[in-house]
Amino acid sequence: QLVESGGGLVQPGGPLRLSCAVSGFNFRNYWMSWVRQAPGKGLEWVASINQDGSEKSYADSVRGRFTVSRDNSKQSVDLQVNSLGADDTAVYFCGAGYYIDFWGQGTLVIVSS
Amino acid sequence: DIQMTQSPSFLSASVGDRVTITCRASQDIGNYLAWYQQRPGKVPKVLIYAASTLQSGVPSRFSARGSGTDFTLIISSLQPEDFATYYCQRYYIAPWTFGQGTKVEIK
Repeated sequence: QLVESGGGLVQPGGPLRLSCAVSGFNFRNYWMSWVRQAPGKGLEWVASINQDGSEKSYADSVRGRFTVSRDNSKQSVDLQVNSLGADDTAVYFCGAGYYIDFWGQGTLVIVSS
Repeated sequence: DIQMTQSPSFLSASVGDRVTITCRASQDIGNYLAWYQQRPGKVPKVLIYAASTLQSGVPSRFSARGSGTDFTLIISSLQPEDFATYYCQRYYIAPWTFGQGTKVEIK
């Protein structure tokens, strides 16, 4: 089970920290990813982190603004999002696996003044 | 950066139809290709990984083939629950890009 939290209404330029709590499988064995979906749009890969946190990858659209991290002792993965713009409004999903085998239900981020 | 292009973006089909969706990568991605189904209002679900391996629990009417740059998802006999949007995704090597999606609607 993956449960995201931290979404909400945020002003343009503001920061937000999204979290994903994992249970039910061996978290330490999985790459973890964040994927977002703007209203009425398709899926967009955002970031991924490897099993021990030593490798991180970002989409060009978020590189330099978003930071992915994980805590294997807490079985959680976070996404720190900064300098938010209207284009960042989306449901943010966390997912587990090279191909995403397990998905959370998503947390909605709305960037608006 | 790599681009994943699906075609068609939209298709209208009837129950029982055979449906084919293609996904083209802008560069060779080997077989690091997954297919997902997303029903309206639901979370995506993986159907296929490694280009052609059916995920456990997925009906056998779903199949896929391809490698390198050209990939295909086939639904052999469309069922009412298959009306959804389908996405391909290159994984394992960044960027883990999704295709733009193919929406399958009822004719």
